[in-house]
Amino acid sequence: DAKTTQPTSMDCAEGRAANLPCNHSTISGNEYVYWYRQIHSQGPQYIIHGLKNNETNEMASLIITEDRKSSTLILPHATLRDTAVYYCIVRASSTSYGKLTFGQGTILTVHP
Amino acid sequence: EAGVVQSPRYKIIEKKQPVAFWCNPISGHNTLYWYLQNLGQGPELLIRYENEEAVDDSQLPKDRFSAERLKGVDSTLKIQPAELGDSAVYLCASSQEGRYNEQFFGPGTRLTVL
Repeated sequence: DAKTTQPTSMDCAEGRAANLPCNHSTISGNEYVYWYRQIHSQGPQYIIHGLKNNETNEMASLIITEDRKSSTLILPHATLRDTAVYYCIVRASSTSYGKLTFGQGTILTVHP
Repeated sequence: EAGVVQSPRYKIIEKKQPVAFWCNPISGHNTLYWYLQNLGQGPELLIRYENEEAVDDSQLPKDRFSAERLKGVDSTLKIQPAELGDSAVYLCASSQEGRYNEQFFGPGTRLTVL
């Protein structure tokens, strides 16, 4: 699976959009981009994933550049409960096989 | 639906003692994972089960770690004997085939080895 690079930490004001970048310059054509987050003392939680097109669900939006070498996770109206570590992961298949390779992620702190 | 259940949530033992962690995955999820998470790091896969078969245990330190998933449902991860460096959070996750590998994680067991 391709390696990802994320900033170590970011801050965001409550109610504002949080934009979390991820670089994955060695991504292959069959690799998906996944985002998970981990709130303190909890297990990771799936947020969203995509291959080429931008994706949106009830939690967030995922913007993938045309060359697929980077992506941005957008939390449109961040709340204090969005404070967590956010992991960007690329992996080869959207089937149930294979592992998730987590990096160190981005610590997002949402402040009042 | 009920989430992934793990017990105990916390465990403190002395080094060289055995310890076991239990996981009950979400009903109907055929794939079960055990991850290890050290402080400040992301989770790392230890072992993956497809039903009762361990299909990826390449990262499991087999000299002291063992796991089983009887009847393809609950799973137990054991360490014997525990070492100081085993202090970490042990996470269990499960997923359902056809659900784009969305893995559902339990809250983890925090192990402290003294």
